[in-house]
Amino acid sequence: GENVEQHPSTLSVQEGDSAVIKCTYSDSASNYFPWYKQELGKRPQLIIDIRSNVGEKKDQRIAVTLNKTAKHFSLHITETQPEDSAVYFCAASQNTGNQFYFGTGTSLTVIP
Amino acid sequence: DTAVSQTPKYLVTQMGNDKSIKCEQNLGHDTMYWYKQDSKKFLKIMFSYNNKELIINETVPNRFSPKSPDKAHLNLHINSLELGDSAVYFCASSRSIAGEAFFGQGTRLTVV
Repeated sequence: GENVEQHPSTLSVQEGDSAVIKCTYSDSASNYFPWYKQELGKRPQLIIDIRSNVGEKKDQRIAVTLNKTAKHFSLHITETQPEDSAVYFCAASQNTGNQFYFGTGTSLTVIP
Repeated sequence: DTAVSQTPKYLVTQMGNDKSIKCEQNLGHDTMYWYKQDSKKFLKIMFSYNNKELIINETVPNRFSPKSPDKAHLNLHINSLELGDSAVYFCASSRSIAGEAFFGQGTRLTVV
């Protein structure tokens, strides 16, 4: 089955700096890679996603890159703000095989 | 309107009891999931249902039994609760396996 690894587990940055979270996956059949943000006591919510036919996607301060050959994808947050503080999860899934697996999460703290 | 709703939000019960958590989605999605989030925040998939059919059962003890009366509902029944079952349980749904998953607000289960 799919194995998704995520690093780092914790990340502290100064407000205004960039934050990068990296994930690797094991199943080359995975073709959909979403990122979720979970604030304390809340539900995970999608912030950005990317499919395997695209190498990069950007939405304002958030961008995701995908390297299918190396089987890794990354989340980039620029100009971080205190409200970006949360736990971020990467995930991988595919159209067949009915698999949808999360990474172990990264706790991001943005220091004002 | 709440897209994915689960009840109850909090559940405190004694070891050995049987309890159920209900989940409903009004998004018209075909696929529903149950995830367990432990104290380390790891999101572990338990079950995946597609069109009321069980797709994934990820090494979950048979004390946990999902029931999907229709595509909009996926309930979770737990028999003989143990201390280690204490966690937050999230229901989620998506249009397909490789699509954005929408999460319920979570049920915090505490077994004493």
